[in-house]
Amino acid sequence: AQSVTQLDSQVPVFEEAPVELRCNYSSSVSVYLFWYVQYPNQGLQLLLKYLSGSTLVKGINGFEAEFNKSQTSFHLRKPSVHISDTAEYFCAVSLRFSGGYNKLIFGAGTRLAVHP
Amino acid sequence: SAVISQKPSRDICQRGTSLTIQCQVDSQVTMMFWYRQQPGQSLTLIATANQGSEATYESGFVIDKFPISRPNLTFSTLTVSNMSPEDSSIYLCSVDDGEVAGELFFGEGSRLTVL
Repeated sequence: AQSVTQLDSQVPVFEEAPVELRCNYSSSVSVYLFWYVQYPNQGLQLLLKYLSGSTLVKGINGFEAEFNKSQTSFHLRKPSVHISDTAEYFCAVSLRFSGGYNKLIFGAGTRLAVHP
Repeated sequence: SAVISQKPSRDICQRGTSLTIQCQVDSQVTMMFWYRQQPGQSLTLIATANQGSEATYESGFVIDKFPISRPNLTFSTLTVSNMSPEDSSIYLCSVDDGEVAGELFFGEGSRLTVL
């Protein structure tokens, strides 16, 4: 069975500091990997995705993530965070079904709190 | 990309009542998904709704409790039936517009509080 583990439920960090949010997945088949962000009282917004090719993917708002197949990880990083990055971040695995559609399995989420 | 509108954005309901949430998409999509996000929790898939067929429910969710309609390619509803306080959650509609593999688009969610 496929699953997603986000190792940190909360990550406090000071403004302009670097941050890494960790994500590990388990799957017996190839998957697509995603990071979504949820700002307070809003829906989910896609940050970045890994489908194939280069293992380092860049997303919006200066975020990037690296796919590591041997470690089954897809950690999210940002070299310098801003107060506005305070949000909940979800790692997700996409399963491709024979009907041609995708089902997303989400991790438990990591709450990033950026302090001045 | 797809733009999704959900109604209501929030509601306070009494125990034992039912509420229907509407999801409208600005383009035709084959697959729509309904997720639940309980307070402080991650998202859990309730069901997948394909136009013209019965919705497919995930383990732990049943049609009697969460009936879904999908009358056309741009619209779906989710009803939360006979509500209890445990149903207090954010319910999110999402779609796969088929353009980019694996990317889903989400509505802003419907926040239900059951008293």
